[in-house]
Amino acid sequence: DGGITQSPKYLFRKEGQNVTLSCEQNLNHDAMYWYRQDPGQGLRLIYYSQIVNDFQKGDIAEGYSVSREKKESFPLTVTSAQKNPTAFYLCASSLTGAHTEAFFGQGTRLTVV
Amino acid sequence: EDQVTQSPEALRLQEGESSSLNCSYTVSGLRGLFWYRQDPGKGPEFLFTLYSAGEEKEKERLKATLTKKESFLHITAPKPEDSATYLCAVNNAGNMLTFGGGTRLMVKP
Repeated sequence: DGGITQSPKYLFRKEGQNVTLSCEQNLNHDAMYWYRQDPGQGLRLIYYSQIVNDFQKGDIAEGYSVSREKKESFPLTVTSAQKNPTAFYLCASSLTGAHTEAFFGQGTRLTVV
Repeated sequence: EDQVTQSPEALRLQEGESSSLNCSYTVSGLRGLFWYRQDPGKGPEFLFTLYSAGEEKEKERLKATLTKKESFLHITAPKPEDSATYLCAVNNAGNMLTFGGGTRLMVKP
């Protein structure tokens, strides 16, 4: 089955620790994105990548880092510099960088304990 | 700055009671308006893309329409399984998506 896989579904982190969220897609899409969703709010763009080995900051990139070494993979690292990391994180991909019909993964819920 | 406002924030309907969700937007160079459905704890599921004013698209009990300032998602004779949060987003000339806050729809049997 083609799709986007995020793992893990739930993640707990101690304050001061970095943590990496996985996102893999087998749709052969060029573009991939990371969003953050807080309760009752819309999605906010963290980082996006339109092609392998290239990525750009979104609206709320501070405290996050990404890499795009392979077309299929776009991992997100939440660093200790992120002041309020507890949130629902969503990865998406689209055929091109024009955000056309972006398809989303099932999300990772990160909780800082 | 692009803005997307969805209303109402929450909507309760009886099964079979038709209604509409609103998505008002201001964007620099619209390249598409998207509707998504999101169930609790899940990722958004793509529903529709609209590109120009006057365009309409339908899927089962849902119909999306677009004007130069807003989009409507019409729900005809909704069923309890239509309960979800519906998200609207716009794609601008810079190929960036801006999302609204969503409308949480609850359909009671």
